Parts: sequence; structure tokens; C-alpha cells
Amino acid sequence: EAQVTQNPRYLITVTGKKLTVTCSQNMNHEYMSWYRQDPGLGLRQIYYSMNVEVTDKGDVPEGYKVSRKEKRNFPLILESPSPNQTSLYFCASSSLAGALGPDTQYFGPGTRLTVL
Amino acid sequence: QKEVEQNSGPLSVPEGAIASLNCTYSDRGSQSFFWYRQYSGKSPELIMSIYSNGDKEDGRFTAQLNKASQYVSLLIRDSQPSDSATYLCAVNGDNFNKFYFGSGTKLNVKP
Repeated sequence: EAQVTQNPRYLITVTGKKLTVTCSQNMNHEYMSWYRQDPGLGLRQIYYSMNVEVTDKGDVPEGYKVSRKEKRNFPLILESPSPNQTSLYFCASSSLAGALGPDTQYFGPGTRLTVL
Repeated sequence: QKEVEQNSGPLSVPEGAIASLNCTYSDRGSQSFFWYRQYSGKSPELIMSIYSNGDKEDGRFTAQLNKASQYVSLLIRDSQPSDSATYLCAVNGDNFNKFYFGSGTKLNVKP
């Protein structure tokens, strides 16, 4: 089954404790992206990657890191989480078949993060 | 700051009616436009994409794009209670690889 998986699905942590949220896709997609979703603010893009070793900042990259060492994986790293990073996080992937950039994005199930 | 604006709703329509969802965007360079549906507690899933001015129909759904007015809409005909969800408008930025989402319109279809 074609899918995007994220782990963990739920995480409660404390300020300053480094954490990693994993994301993996089995659709051989070039494009992967991380979003956070907050009430009233919609989805905001954190980072995206066009392919292995190619990453770029989205709209809200501060406090986050990413890496793309393999095509299928795109982990999100919070080196020193703070309470304002409490949010629902989605990973997404897409093919780059068209000339207008990524097409349909397929989203993972989400990771609900609480930073105390 | 790129912006995508949607009326947060809720938009309530009776079963069988037409639901009309609207979205405006600020970046004139945007070329790709998407409507995603998100059920409560679930992840977004694509309803429709549109790239050219005019209408695009897919079953009960019609997307309309007017780049001159920076406006994209989604019409849902014969609305069903199962259409009750939040609808997210997404637009790509002028480098085509960044995406901006509206905050979503919550649709309630009453039986």
C-alpha cells in the first residue's frame, strides 16, 4: 500500500530535550515536506526537499532541522524544543512529474507534539 | 508575506444543496492550486488540483480559477453529510516548490 508513515504519532516532551520525528514514504517520490498545523493558522510549511541532499526552508523553519540522506526518509529534528513548538506535524510527499513543481501531496497521519 | 485567505466558516448547507468554498491568494506568481479535504483528526487528502484559468470538473466537484482576480473556488454539488469536513486551499509560491495553505473552511452538510 502506498503510504507516508510518521513516528511517533504522539509525543510529550520537556523543553530543551532533543527529539526526532521520522517520516518515510514508499512511493519513490522526489519531493518531501514538513508542515505544522495550529488552530486558526492552517498548515505552515517548515522545510521541504526536492531530492536526496537537497533541502530548503519553508515559511517557518526556525527551531527545526531536517536531513535527506535517503530518498524515502525525511526526518524532522528539534534540537532544543520549546513550548511554542507544541503542534500537530504532518509529513508529505509528492512526485515532480510536472513543470509546475510538486503535484498532489500525500500526507502522513500526523504527529501530535506537546512540549512542556 | 504570502497569504492564502479562506472564510473559516462554518458553512452550513442542507443535504443535496451546492456548497461554495472560496479562496484568495496574494502571490501573483502562483501557478498551482489545490483543494484538500481534512476530516477531524485526520490528515489532508487531495480533492482537486487546477492550473489554468476556468473550470475543472471531477464528479460532484468543480474547481474554478481566476488568476487575474487571484481567486480560486470549489463547488460541491449534491452535498452529502459525508462531505462535512474542513476544506483547505493550497497555493504554490513563485518558486513553485513552496506551498501556502489557507486556514480552511469548515463545511457542515445537514441531513
